[in-house]
Amino acid sequence: DAGVTQSPTHLIKTRGQQVTLRCSPKSGHDTVSWYQQALGQGPQFIFQYYEEEERQRGNFPDRFSGHQFPNYSSELNVNALLLGDSALYLCASSLTPRGGDTEAFFGQGTRLTVV
Amino acid sequence: LAKTTQPISMDSYEGQEVNITCSHNNIATNDYITWYQQFPSQGPRFIIQGYKTKVTNEVASLFIPADRKSSTLSLPRVSLSDTAVYYCLVDNTGGFKTIFGAGTRLFVKA
Repeated sequence: DAGVTQSPTHLIKTRGQQVTLRCSPKSGHDTVSWYQQALGQGPQFIFQYYEEEERQRGNFPDRFSGHQFPNYSSELNVNALLLGDSALYLCASSLTPRGGDTEAFFGQGTRLTVV
Repeated sequence: LAKTTQPISMDSYEGQEVNITCSHNNIATNDYITWYQQFPSQGPRFIIQGYKTKVTNEVASLFIPADRKSSTLSLPRVSLSDTAVYYCLVDNTGGFKTIFGAGTRLFVKA
């Protein structure tokens, strides 16, 4: 049973470009959340997708957008990249959020470097 | 969402028991306490979760006092491979709008 898989593992982009990151959730999971983790800091919540809609969003600008497909996989898109967007981007999946006792499974992340 | 406070770093030696305490004074009635472990350049990995009293699994124990304003993650007989960052999270939304703090960096020495 494959866990959460993310692609690509590493990516280098130039300022102003756009990037798309991909996530396949753990088998049986229907909810995907995205996080940004800068070096030396904890993950910061970007947004959550469930039933192909954005359900919750953290404090990130509209340059960050996403999508969830019928097979529950998800994409994170970042437009007009800034140097400060360089980070490890993490995807987490779980079953339909029920409450505080829901366990999230994280992928290995995509390391994005903006130059 | 309740804010958590953890020590920035801790050192230990192989074979010792390590206890990491997390303060969450503003925890709400329906909040759960969850601990994650993260190695460099990897995603966080679930360790243990609890609501009250004591929870134990194959890798750790979680102690939660009656007032739930703090919790302690206990790692028995740590090894070098336990060197990682440990995050304490308090949340009632299924963990998806979760505030990860800076975590506790545990260094296990030989």
